[in-house]
Amino acid sequence: DIVMTQGALPNPVPSGESASITCQSSKSLLHSNGKTYLNWYLQRPGQSPQLLIYWMSTRASGVSDRFSGSGSGTDFTLKISSVEAEDVGVYYCQQFLEYRTFGGGTKLELK
Amino acid sequence: EVQLVESGGGLVQPGASLKLSCVASGFTFSDYWMSWVRQTPGKTMEWIGDIKYDGSYTNYAPSLKNRFTISRDNAKSTLYLQMSNVRSEDTATYYCTTDLYWGQGVMVTVSS
Repeated sequence: DIVMTQGALPNPVPSGESASITCQSSKSLLHSNGKTYLNWYLQRPGQSPQLLIYWMSTRASGVSDRFSGSGSGTDFTLKISSVEAEDVGVYYCQQFLEYRTFGGGTKLELK
Repeated sequence: EVQLVESGGGLVQPGASLKLSCVASGFTFSDYWMSWVRQTPGKTMEWIGDIKYDGSYTNYAPSLKNRFTISRDNAKSTLYLQMSNVRSEDTATYYCTTDLYWGQGVMVTVSS
């Protein structure tokens, strides 16, 4: 199984500051087709998860350009520029190269 | 408006069987691979498995393959999860999803 490990945030994050969430995979998610099989989700309190980023760096429809995804084959970062109240929740990375597995989640709290 | 509505959850005894349903609307259900994902009370997210848009192929998380079965009825725009021999560790909120679209989830509690 591919194991996904997420880092913690130094909560709370001041409003307007940027925040970076890290995710590491136990195996490269870079496919021979050039695509990296990684999604990012946000689960706001009391809600279902929402897809933010797919293919490591492509924003889903309607997602603010304050969210950006980057990384290599095994190390990934979700950056949130100018954090707002609506960004509060738990962020999950997910690989979909071999079946699918999620990271443990990273909680973002606002100051 | 896209909607995924799960149903069929509740309190079930260990060793019993349970079938969850997910009714889709607002998009062409038969064009999408569909997945089941569950979230434990401790908020751990676990992918259960998925099914190809025409129902001809399924994948499962290896740890769940022998007890869970995913199926679909495209004529009814409905996804199913058949759970058998349930255990306390199956207690979770179960979601159906296309990755982009998610249902609101249905709770399953396994307890005697």
